[in-house]
Amino acid sequence: NAGVTQTPKFQVLKTGQSMTLQCAQDMNHNSMYWYRQDPGMGLRLIYYSASEGTTDKGEVPNGYNVSRLNKREFSLRLESAAPSQTSVYFCASSLRDTEAFFGQGTRLTVV
Amino acid sequence: DQQVKQNSPSLSVQEGRISILNCDYTNSMFDYFLWYKKYPAEGPTFLISISSIKDKNEDGRFTVFLNKSAKHLSLHIVPSQPGDSAVYFCAASSSGRGSTLGRLYFGRGTQLTVWP
Repeated sequence: NAGVTQTPKFQVLKTGQSMTLQCAQDMNHNSMYWYRQDPGMGLRLIYYSASEGTTDKGEVPNGYNVSRLNKREFSLRLESAAPSQTSVYFCASSLRDTEAFFGQGTRLTVV
Repeated sequence: DQQVKQNSPSLSVQEGRISILNCDYTNSMFDYFLWYKKYPAEGPTFLISISSIKDKNEDGRFTVFLNKSAKHLSLHIVPSQPGDSAVYFCAASSSGRGSTLGRLYFGRGTQLTVWP
């Protein structure tokens, strides 16, 4: 049982490049989330998907897009990366009334 | 504006003693509170939670206390062990209509160091 799997684990991008962070969960959870963690800032919600077919903005959605591909997969896309998007990105999943389970994170550096 | 605040960035405790981590929140709609533990280069892992209908929840060495009137919660670890050294995040959520408990508002974290 892998839980929440994120790929890649590390990525370096040049300013203006695009990329997609992948996330998959095998716990049959309905809800999935993307958070970013910055030094001294805790984790902040970028986007979430309460159920398959729906997505909603979180606290810091600017510069990102998401796709809930199916119940298992939730991807995060940076269309034109900026240095301010240098961060550690965490995907998470949950049932509606249980705590969220997090992946191992993707460390992204934009130069 | 941060809705969940952890005002102590770090805490150092001797092994065997009690660790007390504090958290304050501002949003009255929050009714579910969680503590996550995070080691370097890993994702946060769920530790313990408490619903607003309770004022205490205990799980082994970990106890969370909730004071709704003060909008304050605390995590007690007794006895503290070196393996408890990690960053602890306080998080809050709302179970209101359309919400999910994974939609969390996090504090900035407290680095706990337990020394032998």
